[in-house]
Amino acid sequence: NAGVTQTPKFRVLKTGQSMTLLCAQDMNHEYMYWYRQDPGMGLRLIHYSVGEGTTAKGEVPDGYNVSRLKKQNFLLGLESAAPSQTSVYFCASSRRSGAVTDTQYFGPGTRLTVL
Amino acid sequence: AQSVTQLDSQVPVFEEAPVELRCNYSSSVSVYLFWYVQYPNQGLQLLLKYLSGSTLVESINGFEAEFNKSQTSFHLRKPSVHISDTAEYFCAVTGAGGTSYGKLTFGQGTILTVHP
Repeated sequence: NAGVTQTPKFRVLKTGQSMTLLCAQDMNHEYMYWYRQDPGMGLRLIHYSVGEGTTAKGEVPDGYNVSRLKKQNFLLGLESAAPSQTSVYFCASSRRSGAVTDTQYFGPGTRLTVL
Repeated sequence: AQSVTQLDSQVPVFEEAPVELRCNYSSSVSVYLFWYVQYPNQGLQLLLKYLSGSTLVESINGFEAEFNKSQTSFHLRKPSVHISDTAEYFCAVTGAGGTSYGKLTFGQGTILTVHP
């Protein structure tokens, strides 16, 4: 049971390049989330998904797109990377429950640098 | 919408001393509260959470936090810290309703450094 995994661990892009970050979970969780972590700002929600085929915007969605074609995978895309997107990206997943009380399990993170 | 403020960005402390990491939140609805810990170069791990019931919640490694609704606070405490507690700690909140979908709003983080 690997939990939540993220690929790649590190990446350096040039401004204007595109890339996709992959998040995979093997816990059969319904909910998945993408956050970015910046110094002094905590984690901010980019996009989230409440089930296969559904996605929604979070707090800071501009410049990012997501897809959830399979329940276990949640992809985060940058179509045209900008230096402001230099950050550490975390994926998380949680089980759906009626009271929305379940723990979010986090991946190890992807460190992205945009030059 | 919710917001979280962690009042200290860095807290240095000596080993075996007590520590308190402060967290205040604001929300127009009932909330669930969480403390997460992040060790260097790792993801976040849940430390403890308040959902309902007793306002004092504890973790397995000696941390505790008390939900104070009147002061909208959820401060984290430990009576005696160890070197291994050195990490960044995040307070987080989510609305206590189905439409929240577990989305977390995080504070800015507090770096706890335990010195020998």
